[in-house]
Amino acid sequence: DVVMTQSPLSLPVTLGQPASISCRSSQSLVYSDGNTYLNWFQQRPGQSPRRLIYKVSNRDSGVPDRFSGSGSGTDFTLKISRVEAEDVGVYYCLQGTHWPRTFGQGTNLEIK
Amino acid sequence: EVQLLESGGVLVQPGGSLRLSCAASGFTFSSYVMSWVRQPPAKGLEWVSTISSGGDNTYYADSVKGRFTISRDNSKNTVFLQMNSLRAEDTAVYYCAKGAYGNYAHWGQGTLVTVSS
Repeated sequence: DVVMTQSPLSLPVTLGQPASISCRSSQSLVYSDGNTYLNWFQQRPGQSPRRLIYKVSNRDSGVPDRFSGSGSGTDFTLKISRVEAEDVGVYYCLQGTHWPRTFGQGTNLEIK
Repeated sequence: EVQLLESGGVLVQPGGSLRLSCAASGFTFSSYVMSWVRQPPAKGLEWVSTISSGGDNTYYADSVKGRFTISRDNSKNTVFLQMNSLRAEDTAVYYCAKGAYGNYAHWGQGTLVTVSS
């Protein structure tokens, strides 16, 4: 199975400051069709997960532009340019290239 | 508006069975891959199973293979998860999600399954 390793697992951030979450895969996530199926999700307390970014860097409709995704191959990053209070929650990466699908452990973002 | 509504979660004894349902609306259900993802209490997300749009291809996590069966009824816009031989470690909120390649753009609100004696 492809192991997805996120870091850090806990991320205290001051309001207005940037934040960055790393997600590394144990195998390349480039699929045979040339796409890289690495997705990012946000789960606010008490809510269902919400997709933020798909295929590495494509931001979902309604997601603030302070969120961005980047990376390639096995190394990916989610960045928040200026953290706001509504960003508190757990962030997960998910690879959709290989079976079984695998999530990262989650990164808990809190306000310092 | 896309809506996914899970149901069927209850308290069940170890070794018991349960069938979860996810009723979909707001999109052409028969055109989309559907999946189940679970989240044990205070833990992370775990992919469980996926079914192709026509229902002819199914995929399972090793932890549920041989015990769980995913199916769908495209005439009723519903995806199911039949869960047999339930174990304590199957206790979780079960979400259904729409999309292929892990591109889960839409999620339901989840249904809680508790396996306990």
